[in-house]
Amino acid sequence: GQQVMQIPQYQHVQEGEDFTTYCNSSTTLSNIQWYKQRPGGHPVFLIQLVKSGEVKKQKRLTFQFGEAKKNSSLHITATQTTDVGTYFCVKGAQKLVFGQGTRLTINP
Amino acid sequence: DTGVSQDPRHKITKRGQNVTFRCDPISEHNRLYWYRQTLGQGPEFLTYFQNEAQLEKSRLLSDRFSAERPKGSFSTLEIQRTEQGDSAMYLCASSRSVGAIEQYFGPGTRLTVT
Repeated sequence: GQQVMQIPQYQHVQEGEDFTTYCNSSTTLSNIQWYKQRPGGHPVFLIQLVKSGEVKKQKRLTFQFGEAKKNSSLHITATQTTDVGTYFCVKGAQKLVFGQGTRLTINP
Repeated sequence: DTGVSQDPRHKITKRGQNVTFRCDPISEHNRLYWYRQTLGQGPEFLTYFQNEAQLEKSRLLSDRFSAERPKGSFSTLEIQRTEQGDSAMYLCASSRSVGAIEQYFGPGTRLTVT
């Protein structure tokens, strides 16, 4: 199927270090979304990117959509323990297609 | 602020039994979605409703699965003749129908088939 691929699958950092997860699609995307799922929790919407080359920031989180609209990234500056969880890039509108996610763990 | 609720939160059943899950969406949301999530994977789309109409079903939704939303409010997902491979977290989400991209997920029902 037409999936979105995420790397890395796992990332462990020391608190205060930066973190980046990457998302790639073989096809051009109309939009890309990012969701976060805390351990034992449910997915929570973070943001949607629509425009080629778009960059959006939410406090320490920076989201980018590639110029070709085939890739995206999420960068967290100076991680905190509250950032622990799995970050999913997601394509689609009603029918969401989730990537495998990047599981972030943090050593305090 | 009432979010999406699901019942039960956990269900253990024996292979071959039928199970039914319920989802109550956020009250003003017209769209309701069902997803399935297995350990270490992202949620997989199963089906969605706009009001009471079921608009799309995934190939994952075999003949043993049926979902309803009879009055356009709550929804049920039934699995007949459960198999061990059905063990997963079943997530429900809802959203507004106009100009809405964000889906609000419920806590899920964890199904274990023994």
